[in-house]
Amino acid sequence: AQSVTQLDSHVSVSEGTPVLLRCNYSSSYSPSLFWYVQHPNKGLQLLLKYTSAATLVKGINGFEAEFKKSETSFHLTKPSAHMSDAAEYFCVVSINDYKLSFGAGTTVTVRA
Amino acid sequence: EPEVTQTPSHQVTQMGQEVILRCVPISNHLYFYWYRQILGQKVEFLVSFYNNEISEKSEIFDDQFSVERPDGSNFTLKIRSTKLEDSAMYFCASSEEAGVLYNEQFFGPGTRLTVL
Repeated sequence: AQSVTQLDSHVSVSEGTPVLLRCNYSSSYSPSLFWYVQHPNKGLQLLLKYTSAATLVKGINGFEAEFKKSETSFHLTKPSAHMSDAAEYFCVVSINDYKLSFGAGTTVTVRA
Repeated sequence: EPEVTQTPSHQVTQMGQEVILRCVPISNHLYFYWYRQILGQKVEFLVSFYNNEISEKSEIFDDQFSVERPDGSNFTLKIRSTKLEDSAMYFCASSEEAGVLYNEQFFGPGTRLTVL
């Protein structure tokens, strides 16, 4: 069965430094993977998605993620954190035609 | 930019009461979903809906739950007799297509349901 595990529940970074959010997946076939972000009192917004076209996926707001089959990972990165990046981030896998399965989430705080 | 909206943002109810959570999906989307997140737990899939039928539901979605698209714009989740354990954030989502490779779902801001 497909699932994702987010390895960090909380990440704290200084503004202007890189951000790394780690996600490992488990799947019996090539998965469709997503990163969503949730800012306080806002809906879940899609940052980027992987659907086997390219292993390095670029998303909105300067985020990108790399699909590594050998490591079963789909880590999210951003070269330089901004205060507005403070939010909760979810790694998500598509289970079937309709159903998404969410990781537990990583809360990002950005220090000035 | 089109977005999914949900009302109310917060609903407080007494145990045993019926509640209806409302969602307006993006207008050209055909597939609709409900998810929930109990405090401190993962976001969980509840149900998907297409062409006025449930296409898939989870084991959580028992006879106490129902969904409806009463008109061309609203999508509702009804809980017939709420329990304390139904307290959660409920997210509505919609998508233009379905399919494991195309399952880009757009989420609303959520309704926080508190059952006392």
